[in-house]
Amino acid sequence: GDSVTQMEGPVTLSEEAFLTINCTYTATGYPSLFWYVQYPGEGLQLLLKATKADDKGSNKGFEATYRKETTSFHLEKGSVQVSDSAVYFCALGGYSTLTFGKGTMLLVSP
Amino acid sequence: KAGVTQTPRYLIKTRGQQVTLSCSPISGHRSVSWYQQTPGQGLQFLFEYFSETQRNKGNFPGRFSGRQFSNSRSEMNVSTLELGDSALYLCASSLEWGRISSGANVLTFGAGSRLTVL
Repeated sequence: GDSVTQMEGPVTLSEEAFLTINCTYTATGYPSLFWYVQYPGEGLQLLLKATKADDKGSNKGFEATYRKETTSFHLEKGSVQVSDSAVYFCALGGYSTLTFGKGTMLLVSP
Repeated sequence: KAGVTQTPRYLIKTRGQQVTLSCSPISGHRSVSWYQQTPGQGLQFLFEYFSETQRNKGNFPGRFSGRQFSNSRSEMNVSTLELGDSALYLCASSLEWGRISSGANVLTFGAGSRLTVL
């Protein structure tokens, strides 16, 4: 079945540091891929998305590129802020469902 | 445009009781899905409704049930609560039923209902 594997956290960074959160997937066919973010006490917010190989999703300075050859969708940001502290989920779009990774907590200190 | 609204946001129940959670989707969205989030198991799919019919179901016991009304609003019910049912229950809506893609059929989540079972 479909599955998503994310790097375990927490990831602890200083403000303005470079961020990478790794995500790899296993799926049949060519699913859409997503990154969702969850701030403390809140639900999930869609951060970015990509439909097909080599698509790059981007939003709020975050980027991720759909790499079919490595089945990966790593999340990157060039300069993190304290306000980026949250849990990030990589997800794979199936038929009417999303399959999520376990989530990676990001902690950014001033 | 209002987002996905879930009520109640927080509730505390005791073992053996039952609970009903409500979800109002984004206006115009006809598909509603439910997910359970726990620290141990992460995010797990419960079920999905479209046109008042359950179209897909995750691997949960029959104590978990749901329904959808003609206005697309949805409720989920958990009967005979167990300690392990303590979780954040998230509702998500999308325009249509079918493959979740980065086009129009993207899931938008509510803030969740946090259930604590004592």
